[in-house]
Amino acid sequence: QSPLTQPASVSGSPGQSITISCTATTSDILKYNFVSWYQHHPDEAPKLMIYEVKNRPSGVSNRFSGSKSGNTASLTISGLQAEDEADYYCSSYTGSNTYVVFGGGTKLTVL
Amino acid sequence: QEQLVQSGAEVKKPGASVRVSCKASGYTFIGYYIHWVRQAPGQGLEWMGWISPNNGVTNYAQNFQGRVTMTRDTSTNTTYMDLTSLRSDDTAVYYCARARGRSGWYILLYWGQGTLVTVSS
Repeated sequence: QSPLTQPASVSGSPGQSITISCTATTSDILKYNFVSWYQHHPDEAPKLMIYEVKNRPSGVSNRFSGSKSGNTASLTISGLQAEDEADYYCSSYTGSNTYVVFGGGTKLTVL
Repeated sequence: QEQLVQSGAEVKKPGASVRVSCKASGYTFIGYYIHWVRQAPGQGLEWMGWISPNNGVTNYAQNFQGRVTMTRDTSTNTTYMDLTSLRSDDTAVYYCARARGRSGWYILLYWGQGTLVTVSS
């Protein structure tokens, strides 16, 4: 059982905005700004979309944004496009034992 | 440009071991941690551990301790992940991924293409 909880699925229509949440359930994992978000299309390698809560790597669209409030981090995708349909995972350094954990993943469906 | 190329698919019997390799190019190999992550069919991403190519120091997730060994060969810029005592639930796609940087060692910026390991009798 991951200490990071995500909704199993979210959906939205093209052009709309959606938000995916990531909540730390058992510890202060999200106390610090160590949250990353990954996009994963089937049969492809995962792709880093956001790191340290709100930073975008070079080449990632500014339609993707991240935020954090208390023990919950969020990924917002604005102006939904068909190509955004994928699984999204939050991840964080646990703050101890130099471990990394992933959330259970959220399947985004673009209607 | 930074690239990680993994070895090909493997089919193993229960109880056997598997080695997956990950060859790095386009950057200074010893400068960045390499992580291993797997995804079983229908499941999410699962972090397995990391290795520092600089000194070979490793850190394994608790679920894999005792069964996984990560090593590196600095002469070929290659990292290896060995998993022993394979079970059917080890069937998964295994990915290597390079960290973003020294301070961002937990941020997985570049990924290999994945290696399917199938465990079946």
